[in-house]
Amino acid sequence: EAQVTQNPRYLITVTGKKLTVTCSQNMNHEYMSWYRQDPGLGLRQIYYSMNVEVTDKGDVPEGYKVSRKEKRNFPLILESPSPNQTSLYFCASSLKDGSYEQYFGPGTRLTVT
Amino acid sequence: AQSVTQLDSHVSVSEGTPVLLRCNYSSSYSPSLFWYVQHPNKGLQLLLKYTSAATLVKGINGFEAEFKKSETSFHLTKPSAHMSDAAEYFCVVSDLGGYQKVTFGTGTKLQVIP
Repeated sequence: EAQVTQNPRYLITVTGKKLTVTCSQNMNHEYMSWYRQDPGLGLRQIYYSMNVEVTDKGDVPEGYKVSRKEKRNFPLILESPSPNQTSLYFCASSLKDGSYEQYFGPGTRLTVT
Repeated sequence: AQSVTQLDSHVSVSEGTPVLLRCNYSSSYSPSLFWYVQHPNKGLQLLLKYTSAATLVKGINGFEAEFKKSETSFHLTKPSAHMSDAAEYFCVVSDLGGYQKVTFGTGTKLQVIP
């Protein structure tokens, strides 16, 4: 089954404790992206990747890191989480770039206390 | 620059009446435009996509949208609302840098009254 998976689905952590949210897709897609969803703000793009070893900032990259060492994986790293990073996070992938349909993961709900 | 404005944060309609969700966009190039739907506690699903092949785009579940370049609009419509249409809808644009960046609108919550 074609899908985007994210782990963990739910995470409660404390300020400053490094964490990684994994994202994997099995569709051989080139483009992958991370978004955060906050009430009233819609989804905002954090980082995107056009292909292996090619990543770039979206609209809200501060406090986040990403890497793309393999085509299928695109982890999101919070090196020192803060309460303002409490949010719902979605990973997505598309065949080539932002002009193609994006397939979304189920979401990761992160709470930073 | 690219941006999307969804003109209504909440829309309420009666079951069986038409739905109109409004979206205006700003784009410097030739945009790709999308509508996605998010049902409560669910992920996002593509409703339809503007590909420049036709200005009137038909999507799933009876939804359609019309691309109007002169008005920079991409409004979503449906002739007759069903209870199952209650969800949040997002208008999305991509054009910057060869369609690298993607920008979502802030969303419109559709309530369907029985």
